[in-house]
Amino acid sequence: GESVGLHLPTLSVQEGDNSIINCAYSNSASDYFIWYKQESGKGPQFIIDIRSNMDKRQGQRVTVLLNKTVKHLSLQIAATQPGDSAVYFCAENSGGYQKVTFGTGTKLQVIP
Amino acid sequence: DTAVSQTPKYLVTQMGNDKSIKCEQNLGHDTMYWYKQDSKKFLKIMFSYNNKELIINETVPNRFSPKSPDKAHLNLHINSLELGDSAVYFCASSQGVGKVSGANVLTFGAGSRLTVL
Repeated sequence: GESVGLHLPTLSVQEGDNSIINCAYSNSASDYFIWYKQESGKGPQFIIDIRSNMDKRQGQRVTVLLNKTVKHLSLQIAATQPGDSAVYFCAENSGGYQKVTFGTGTKLQVIP
Repeated sequence: DTAVSQTPKYLVTQMGNDKSIKCEQNLGHDTMYWYKQDSKKFLKIMFSYNNKELIINETVPNRFSPKSPDKAHLNLHINSLELGDSAVYFCASSQGVGKVSGANVLTFGAGSRLTVL
């Protein structure tokens, strides 16, 4: 079936450096993508989203890039901080009913 | 005020028992969900309700029965619990259905960790 997956299960980054978390998806009908952050003991929280008619979207310290040609999206976090340590999920929706499919998650560890 | 609240936060029970997890959202959202997160952090959708109507029912054993008394509540009842049901169950809600901007953004509860012994 269709799936959304990540290249790296764990990413360790020095505090202050930039982080890049990657995600591959296989459903070519996906038209909406969301990144979530899950801290330990909590539910996932929305970070940023992007629609398929866009290539790039920026938020506060975060940027999402979408490459529809290779079905790949990435989350870039600028000046990574200890509070960014969490598991990050990409998720996709192919429209219609609210079926949001999550990728396998990447654990980001920030080294002080 | 907690936007999506679920109870209990922890639940430890024996195999074969029946248990329920409750969920309430005060966001005025139309759609609610149950997700299951396994030990490897994989999040899989189980059910989705829109205005009390079931719209998504993934391949979930019929021992799992969701109930939505109103659009602010979505409870999950599990019969004859099995070891494989041990997981963290997340309730979530979203504004609506379809391609309206922001409608697909999920707000999650803190999770209910179910341990079946």
